[in-house]
Amino acid sequence: SQTIHQWPATLVQPVGSPLSLECTVEGTSNPNLYWYRQAAGRGLQLLFYSVGIGQISSEVPQNLSASRPQDRQFILSSKKLLLSDSGFYLCAWRRLSGEVGYGYTFGSGTRLTVV
Amino acid sequence: EDQVTQSPEALRLQEGESSSLNCSYTVSGLRGLFWYRQDPGKGPEFLFTLYSAGEEKEKERLKATLTKKESFLHITAPKPEDSATYLCAVMDSSYKLIFGSGTRLLVRP
Repeated sequence: SQTIHQWPATLVQPVGSPLSLECTVEGTSNPNLYWYRQAAGRGLQLLFYSVGIGQISSEVPQNLSASRPQDRQFILSSKKLLLSDSGFYLCAWRRLSGEVGYGYTFGSGTRLTVV
Repeated sequence: EDQVTQSPEALRLQEGESSSLNCSYTVSGLRGLFWYRQDPGKGPEFLFTLYSAGEEKEKERLKATLTKKESFLHITAPKPEDSATYLCAVMDSSYKLIFGSGTRLLVRP
């Protein structure tokens, strides 16, 4: 069966520090991968998605970047965090076959607090 | 522009008091409408996929329905364990999933 792992679960970082959040998917190959951010009491905002190794599409201009160095690994990064980067970050995957099915499957999320 | 609007933002029910959550949407090339449940500090958990107007899906005390412009999540005789945020999302023609801001449901015993 397929599983998605995200870490760390919580993170407190000072303003101006770098960020690296990692997401990996097991039990499938060539998935579509997604990073979302959820502000407190708000819906999910799509930040980046990737349809393959090295292929990244950005949905919202911001202080963040994403990379996909391996088929089942997706990384969210920042060189210098801002207070506005605080939020709940979620990684998700979808099969590439075109099947709609369950939509996306989400990881357990990372709670980032920038202080 | 694709858009999903959920109402109400928050809903408080007594245990056993049935109600409905609304999701209105505009999307180009709807591939599916999804309902997710999200517990505090966790990722969204899949509930239902609806593909076309008139379709209905049921799971325990939940029933989801779909029209051309909106979807409803009906909760029958809710229990405290149904307390969560319920998210509605639409998948557009490019397989992107666009979410509403959710309805926070609290069921009191």
